[in-house]
Amino acid sequence: ELKVEQNPLFLSMQEGKNYTIYCNYSTTSDRLYWYRQDPGKSLESLFVLLSNGAVKQEGRLMASLDTKARLSTLHITAAVHDLSATYFCAVDRGMRFGAGTRLTVKP
Amino acid sequence: GAVVSQHPSWVICKSGTSVKIECRSLDFQATTMFWYRQFPKQSLMLMATSNEGSKATYEQGVEKDKFLINHASLTLSTLTVTSAHPEDSSFYICSALRGVNTEAFFGQGTRLTVV
Repeated sequence: ELKVEQNPLFLSMQEGKNYTIYCNYSTTSDRLYWYRQDPGKSLESLFVLLSNGAVKQEGRLMASLDTKARLSTLHITAAVHDLSATYFCAVDRGMRFGAGTRLTVKP
Repeated sequence: GAVVSQHPSWVICKSGTSVKIECRSLDFQATTMFWYRQFPKQSLMLMATSNEGSKATYEQGVEKDKFLINHASLTLSTLTVTSAHPEDSSFYICSALRGVNTEAFFGQGTRLTVV
């Protein structure tokens, strides 16, 4: 059974700081997704990573994928309050989700 | 970007009644749609995968007779919660795949409260 583990589950950081969220998965997968969810809302697509070594960046967020290590990272650069949300990774077309990382960015 | 519309956004129903939730891809054809439920402060749990014109594939532990899924066209999938009970209260979210190598696009979600 495919398992997807995210860490940390909770992250409180100050504005301007950098941090990385990790997503490990247990079996081979050819794709990995990152999503953002604001309270009470549905999911917003951030990145889809389709190959080993794939790196994508959008604003202060950068995602990468290492299929050999079965690991994806979501790096946050110079965090701002607007990035406060819950971030999920999901694996495979069947969209198995990690537990989510609840990010709070404080002034 | 691709748009997926889910309706209704919220619904309150009495125990024992049935509720239907619609998921429509507005500007693309979706051969595959997914249904999830999400409890407060938890992750999304995949309930079933819905393919147009065929029976849905349910995840282990999901009662197919209670959660009826119909994917009648390339732009519409429905989830019917039958004989709803308070423990069925949750946030239900659908998503649709536009193509093989694209991300899934999510509906707005439906908050179901069974009283």
